[in-house]
Amino acid sequence: EAQVTQNPRYLITVTGKKLTVTCSQNMNHEYMSWYRQDPGLGLRQIYYSMNVEVTDKGDVPEGYKVSRKEKRNFPLILESPSPNQTSLYFCASSLSGRSTEAFFGQGTRLTVV
Amino acid sequence: KQEVTQIPAALSVPEGENLVLNCSFTDSAIYNLQWFRQDPGKGLTSLLLIQSSQREQTSGRLNASLDKSSGRSTLYIAASQPGDSATYLCAVSGGYQKVTFGIGTKLQVIP
Repeated sequence: EAQVTQNPRYLITVTGKKLTVTCSQNMNHEYMSWYRQDPGLGLRQIYYSMNVEVTDKGDVPEGYKVSRKEKRNFPLILESPSPNQTSLYFCASSLSGRSTEAFFGQGTRLTVV
Repeated sequence: KQEVTQIPAALSVPEGENLVLNCSFTDSAIYNLQWFRQDPGKGLTSLLLIQSSQREQTSGRLNASLDKSSGRSTLYIAASQPGDSATYLCAVSGGYQKVTFGIGTKLQVIP
């Protein structure tokens, strides 16, 4: 089954404790991206990757890191999480960023206390 | 910077009605526009993708149109059903392949 898998689905952590949210897709897609969704603000793009080893900042990259060493994986890293990073996070992938349908993971609800 | 606006923010209609959701964007230099559906606590499901060179796309009871020059798209839902109740989001892919979402329209279809 074609899918985007995020883990974990739920995470509660403390301020400053490094964490990684994993994202994996099995569709051989080139383009992957991370979003956060907050009430009243909608989905905002954090980082995106057009292909392996090529990543770029979205609209809200501060406090986040990503890496794309393999085509299928695109982890999101929070080196020192803060309470303002409490949010619902989505990973998505598509064949390309220009012309194809995007597929989304089920989301990761992160709470930073 | 691209901005995407969706109107109305919320909509409640009786079952069977035809309805239109609106999406506008400020920068017409886009590659595509996509409509999504999001159910509470769930991820996003793609409904329709319109390339910048296209005017409309149809899937079942859904029809999406795109007027790139005026920065507008509409999603038409025919004969609405309670199962259509969800939040509908539009997103545009533009320069440097960045994606910008609207905040969404929350639709409730009343049986």
